Amino acid sequence: EVQLVESGGGLVQPGGSLRLSCAASGFTFSSYSINWVRQAPGKGLEWISHITSHSDTIYYADSVKGRFTISRDNAKSSLSLQMHSLRDEDTAVYYCAREYYTRMDLWGQGTTVTVSS
Amino acid sequence: QSVLTQPPSVSGAPGQRVTISCTGSSSNIGAGYDVHWYQQLPGTAPKLLIYGNNNRPSGVPDRFSGSKSGTSASLAITGLQVEDEADYFCQSFDSRVWVFGGGTKLTVL
Repeated sequence: EVQLVESGGGLVQPGGSLRLSCAASGFTFSSYSINWVRQAPGKGLEWISHITSHSDTIYYADSVKGRFTISRDNAKSSLSLQMHSLRDEDTAVYYCAREYYTRMDLWGQGTTVTVSS
Repeated sequence: QSVLTQPPSVSGAPGQRVTISCTGSSSNIGAGYDVHWYQQLPGTAPKLLIYGNNNRPSGVPDRFSGSKSGTSASLAITGLQVEDEADYFCQSFDSRVWVFGGGTKLTVL
C-alpha cells in the first residue's frame, strides 16, 4: 500500500525538543520531494519545510527557521523533523506530504505535537 | 493571515452548485504557478482534490472542477452531496514557499 506514516508526536514543555518521523512505503521514496505541513487546532494548513529527493535543497518557513531541521534517509525510506526551542504556537498536527510538481499528492495521517507546561 | 485568501464558509443544499474562491497575488497565482485544492473531511488528513488548476486525480468525481484566471482560482462543486461537507484548501507556490489558503468550510444544508 502506498502510504506515509508519521510518528514521534507528544507532549513537550516550552523550550523543549522533539523529533518527528515519517515512514514511507509502497513507492520509490528516493524519487520524491517531501514536505512537512502542520495544522494548529481549529486552524488552516501551514507549510513548514521541504526537502528534495536527494536532500540537495531544503527550505523552511520563517516561523520555524533556525529551530527545526528536516532530513531524510532514502535507504530507509524515512523522513525526520528535528524540532528545538518549541513554543506554544508550535502545537499542531504535523503531516508529512509527498510532493509532485508543487502539489502534495500523498499525505500521512498526522502526528500531534502539544507544547505546554 | 494566509497568503491565499478564501471565504471562511460556504453552504448549499443537496444537488446545488457552490464555488469557492482563492485569491492570490502577482507573486504566486499571478506568476503562473499552479493552484491545487485539497479536501479535508472531519478528523482526517487532507486529500488532493484538484491539481494543476483543473485536473482531477483518479477517483475524484467529475462533480469537482477547478479553474484559474489571473491572480485567482476557483473550485466548483456541482450536485452537492452530504458527504461533500468538509474543509477545502487551495495551495500554490510563492518564492520558495508553499502557500495555502486559510480554508473554507462547506456546509451542506
